[in-house]
Amino acid sequence: QEQLQESGPGLVKPSDTLSLTCTISGVSITSSYWTWIRQSPGRGLEWIGFIFYGGFTIYNPSLKSRVTISVDTAKNQLSLKVNSVTAADTAVYYCARRVEATEGLDVWGQGTVVTVSS
Amino acid sequence: DIQMTQSPSSVSASVGDRVTITCRASQDIHFWLAWYRQKPGKAPELLIYKTSTLQRGVPLRFSGSGSGTEFSLTISSLQPEDSATYYCHQTDNYPYTFGQGTKLEI
Repeated sequence: QEQLQESGPGLVKPSDTLSLTCTISGVSITSSYWTWIRQSPGRGLEWIGFIFYGGFTIYNPSLKSRVTISVDTAKNQLSLKVNSVTAADTAVYYCARRVEATEGLDVWGQGTVVTVSS
Repeated sequence: DIQMTQSPSSVSASVGDRVTITCRASQDIHFWLAWYRQKPGKAPELLIYKTSTLQRGVPLRFSGSGSGTEFSLTISSLQPEDSATYYCHQTDNYPYTFGQGTKLEI
């Protein structure tokens, strides 16, 4: 059974880089597209972007200049980096599998809370 | 960006009731609309994709319809476990966007 697990620091200082990892089990990372989504009380659910293991990525333009999504096929892990964070980046961050044919996000991690504060 | 507007923002209903949630897109998204259910403290769960196709394992009391800019999610006979927040999600144009959510109280 496919499982996704986000991990990373729960507290990041303003202007620093937020780095999260999504460990994928039960399925190869090379088999699908993988998405990052975040959720905050003020912004609701926000699509960050997705990646296919070959390096094809699509980012939300509102975050594009600060965001990098990448994969480590050896570790079967997905990663997210957000540069120059501010309090507005405080959110629950989710990774999810995107099914290309249906555009459904059918498997999600449980989410990880990230707070940006000094 | 395509704006997704859900109505109502919240609804209260009883077990066995039929409830319909509406989602309106700011431009034509064809049939690229999915619905998710999110329970408190949990990740969203895919219910329906491509407007009306039920995700495997989702009960048949859930159904979706619509096209273009107007879509709806109907729960035909509410169960206690349906108490949650429901979101629509368009995947026709980048950046993909979500509705603001509809909180359903049983």
